[in-house]
Amino acid sequence: DTAVSQTPKYLVTQMGNDKSIKCEQNLGHDTMYWYKQDSKKFLKIMFSYNNKELIINETVPNRFSPKSPDKAHLNLHINSLELGDSAVYFCASRAPGQGASGYTFGSGTRLTVV
Amino acid sequence: AQSVTQPDIHITVSEGASLELRCNYSYGATPYLFWYVQSPGQGLQLLLKYFSGDTLVQGIKGFEAEFKRSQSSFNLRKPSVHWSDAAEYFCAVGAANAGKSTFGDGTTLTVKP
Repeated sequence: DTAVSQTPKYLVTQMGNDKSIKCEQNLGHDTMYWYKQDSKKFLKIMFSYNNKELIINETVPNRFSPKSPDKAHLNLHINSLELGDSAVYFCASRAPGQGASGYTFGSGTRLTVV
Repeated sequence: AQSVTQPDIHITVSEGASLELRCNYSYGATPYLFWYVQSPGQGLQLLLKYFSGDTLVQGIKGFEAEFKRSQSSFNLRKPSVHWSDAAEYFCAVGAANAGKSTFGDGTTLTVKP
């Protein structure tokens, strides 16, 4: 069983479209994250939810909207896609109150905007 | 603010040789430190972590790292590199509880036969 699963794995879409990426974890973790990895492999945090509550919202365009229907799911919706949104998006989770436990990452969603 | 510097963008070693990847951090309190590995087309996998206790920590795949507070460093080592170790390596510093981890820019490891 995959611990943190993301769908889709690949997403190719045109500029201006709206798309969603889904993430689910079966680890019982309370905290989930979205990270963006650009073409130079730099990783930047976008959002974090703790038990369905938004706790981290970095400087991200408001075209990006996370949604957490329950603590096992964290989805990312992107409106009006732009070329610069092309990247790999990683979902991650972490055990509650366990700053030292490290993250468990999904395998990523490669988004290409054409 | 927390930050991580990985001074080496790209390192090439021969198979069987030893490896050291450097990581320097900046953090206002006792840091939680991590090393992750990312194979091509994959997500990141946690190699090892440090938050207290013995400053030499052992991880998976034969890796170890040493925390040196005086140097603000957490360097990753492996005594004998295998071809399968070729990957991207990320050092990260994290906060307690639900806080975020900040990642370094990564070091690409190439292994020569």
